[in-house]
Amino acid sequence: GEDVEQSLFLSVREGDSSVINCTYTDSSSTYLYWYKQEPGAGLQLLTYIFSNMDMKQDQRLTVLLNKKDKHLSLRIADTQTGDSAIYFCAESSMIKAAGNKLTFGGGTRVLVKP
Amino acid sequence: DAGITQSPRHKVTETGTPVTLRCHQTENHRYMYWYRQDPGHGLRLIHYSYGVKDTDKGEVSDGYSVSRSKTEDFLLTLESATSSQTSVYFCAISESNRPEAFFGQGTRLTVV
Repeated sequence: GEDVEQSLFLSVREGDSSVINCTYTDSSSTYLYWYKQEPGAGLQLLTYIFSNMDMKQDQRLTVLLNKKDKHLSLRIADTQTGDSAIYFCAESSMIKAAGNKLTFGGGTRVLVKP
Repeated sequence: DAGITQSPRHKVTETGTPVTLRCHQTENHRYMYWYRQDPGHGLRLIHYSYGVKDTDKGEVSDGYSVSRSKTEDFLLTLESATSSQTSVYFCAISESNRPEAFFGQGTRLTVV
């Protein structure tokens, strides 16, 4: 079955770059996603990347995809205290009858220290 | 946030009682999903719907049923709640041929 793995915790100093890593096993993944969850809140879609791309940049966020190694990363430039949250990696295969069924990693808790 | 409202936001119930959670959307999206979030597991899919009266099972469907009688509403029912169903439940929506999936604010359910 599908599996998505993430490291549990990342600590970073304010102003530094953060890199959150994710590996997945499903070679038929169509899209890969990064979601952010702040305490007591729902999941906020940060960005996604189509599987035939290897990089996507959106302001402070850079997503890198190595499809051969099934490795996805999210880089946050100039990390701020407001970036402290849990970050989830997810993948989907966008099957027509099922829409976007997502398979999630366990989440990486990011703590930004002043 | 996309127009997704989950109700109730918090609920405490007793073991063995039925519980229904509601997800309401104002986006007219075709697909709706129920996930549960537990520490160390991320989110896992319970059931999903691909249209009115069209539903299917997800990864962790045992003990749950769903119904979708209108495009905007997707109900999740725990037939007889157990302590293992204590969790945070999230509803999500997505549209045909679009990669984005949007989540509601969640319902925290405690079964005592």
